[in-house]
Amino acid sequence: NAGVMQNPRHLVRRRGQEARLRCSPMKGHSHVYWYRQLPEEGLKFMVYLQKENIIDESGMPKERFSAEFPKEGPSILRIQQVVRGDSAAYFCASSPAPGQGAFRPIDGYTFGSGTRLTVV
Amino acid sequence: KQEVTQIPAALSVPEGENLVLNCSFTDSAIYNLQWFRQDPGKGLTSLLLIQSSQREQTSGRLNASLDKSSGRSTLYIAASQPGDSATYLCAVFTGTASKLTFGTGTRLQVTL
Repeated sequence: NAGVMQNPRHLVRRRGQEARLRCSPMKGHSHVYWYRQLPEEGLKFMVYLQKENIIDESGMPKERFSAEFPKEGPSILRIQQVVRGDSAAYFCASSPAPGQGAFRPIDGYTFGSGTRLTVV
Repeated sequence: KQEVTQIPAALSVPEGENLVLNCSFTDSAIYNLQWFRQDPGKGLTSLLLIQSSQREQTSGRLNASLDKSSGRSTLYIAASQPGDSATYLCAVFTGTASKLTFGTGTRLQVTL
């Protein structure tokens, strides 16, 4: 297992197009987290998902952004009608199922290499 | 709301020096704290993970300490090398919120 896989590594979209970012978690990991890193800023949480379930989407912009983690296949972060301000690096992380009933990754996070989205 | 601050924002040291990076957080009710390294245009590499019950963790030339009650962590790098040049990020996981809160990082440059 090569770890958390994200694709594409680089994505260029024109304003108004849709961007689809994919994340395959590490083998055995059932929890996926998306973070966004704007230029010269720190990483900001966007959304936390389990298979077929959104746990926490408090960091997602209210419009144009959506995320899913289907029963089969990778997690998808979808941005509709992209604007220049969406240009950023989008990182995905995965963790094992939490223990003791609470959503707390005891083994820490493993991050993918990110997708760098450029909107022109 | 958890806030994480890292100082200094940037640091330049000559090769061979020992150095300390600082991280502070406002909500001491954390579950764990993780230090990452990020190279320009690259992803994040996990360096050290400290559970809330631990005081420190060591890996090679790296040592991270945690003082949960005062809301502080330090990352100590011994005998720095040019290959250590990167941005170092501190992140805390707060049990009541299912996410990591990151600091803005310290950009380290180790010169020959």
